[in-house]
Amino acid sequence: DIQMTQSPSSLSASVGDRVTITCQASQDISNYLNWYQQKPGKAPKLLIYDASNLQTGVPSGFSGSGSGTDFTFTISSLQPEDIATYYCQQYDNLPLTFGQGTKLEIK
Amino acid sequence: EVQLVESGGGLVQPGRSLRLSCAASGFTFDDYAMHWVRQAPGKGLEWVSGISWDSGSIGYADSVKGRFTISRDNAKNSLYLQMNSLRTEDTALYYCAKDSRIGITMPQHWGQGTLVTVSS
Repeated sequence: DIQMTQSPSSLSASVGDRVTITCQASQDISNYLNWYQQKPGKAPKLLIYDASNLQTGVPSGFSGSGSGTDFTFTISSLQPEDIATYYCQQYDNLPLTFGQGTKLEIK
Repeated sequence: EVQLVESGGGLVQPGRSLRLSCAASGFTFDDYAMHWVRQAPGKGLEWVSGISWDSGSIGYADSVKGRFTISRDNAKNSLYLQMNSLRTEDTALYYCAKDSRIGITMPQHWGQGTLVTVSS
């Protein structure tokens, strides 16, 4: 199985900060990488697919990049409503696998 | 609007079985792959199983392989998960999710989940 390693596991930042989360795959997954946001008590929401494509309706302040084994998710200017846990997920091979999550908090 | 409504969760003893269902509406069900994803209390997301639009491709997490069976009924717009030989570590909120494609790639739209508790 492909292992997905996110860092950091938790992150505290101030409103307006630029926030970056990384995700590393245990093998080359091309661009078969998606990012999800999960707010407390809610179902996850797909934000970015195929490493860098913004899902319809998702604010442009979110972005993703990378290919192969190393990927980055960025929030350009942190807003209070962005407080959530973020997950990466690969679909190069079955079984699909998620990263362990990055919990984002406001400083 | 895509709607996914899970049912069938509850309290069950270890070793017993449970069948989850997911009723889908608001989209052409047989145009998309479907998934089950679970989340243990306070933990992260774990993909459980996925099934392509025509049931021709099916996958399972190693943790459930041989115990769980995914299926779909395109005539009824429904997804199922038969869970046998349940273990305490299967306790989780189980989400039904619609893919964005016909093959197993990404859970795009999610239901609200049904809680499964395995305990004696």
